[in-house]
Amino acid sequence: SAVISQKPSRDICQRGTSLTIQCQVDSQVTMMFWYRQQPGQSLTLIATANQGSEATYESGFVIDKFPISRPNLTFSTLTVSNMSPEDSSIYLCSTSGGGGYNEQFFGPGTRLTVL
Amino acid sequence: AQKITQTQPGMFVQEKEAVTLDCTYDTSDQSYGLFWYKQPSSGEMIFLIYQGSYDEQNATEGRYSLNFQKARKSANLVISASQLGDSAMYFCAMTPWDSNYQLIWGAGTKLIIKP
Repeated sequence: SAVISQKPSRDICQRGTSLTIQCQVDSQVTMMFWYRQQPGQSLTLIATANQGSEATYESGFVIDKFPISRPNLTFSTLTVSNMSPEDSSIYLCSTSGGGGYNEQFFGPGTRLTVL
Repeated sequence: AQKITQTQPGMFVQEKEAVTLDCTYDTSDQSYGLFWYKQPSSGEMIFLIYQGSYDEQNATEGRYSLNFQKARKSANLVISASQLGDSAMYFCAMTPWDSNYQLIWGAGTKLIIKP
């Protein structure tokens, strides 16, 4: 199974600033996913990050607010730009396990609080 | 529309008892995968168990088993001999055939094990 690490694990940020979250996988993977989990809610997919192409964003999420990089098959970053208190959430990256319907593996998450 | 429904927002269970967490799904696809994840208060998402739509036998992983009833479109999680460490949020999720591994999530069930 893939092992995923995320940095930072948590942060407290001021309104109007930006935070970049890093996601590192211990093996090469084709697809990486970024999720947001607002307090008391389920997970919402922000975007799918593919190496060598632009990220695919879900409805309600835009590149200007959540720019994503995917420079290689083991690494991705998500930036939360011009933050507001509504951005306070857990941000999780995940990757598919491989062929078929294998499980998705998740990073430990980044707990973001915006003041 | 594809959807996951978890009707139990919260459950209290006595330690050592078995617990069943309900999950129903809605899809017109013939091929799909069903997952259960555990999310402790730390925020990480821990994969528990997977069931493929064509798997004839119910999946089992240690104390976890998935009661898969395809005709009823239900995929309930059964935890045997519950432990205090089982207290967490539990999410049911589905990946349809053509989703590129994207997951559709239920709202979650908060399970609290009482000593």
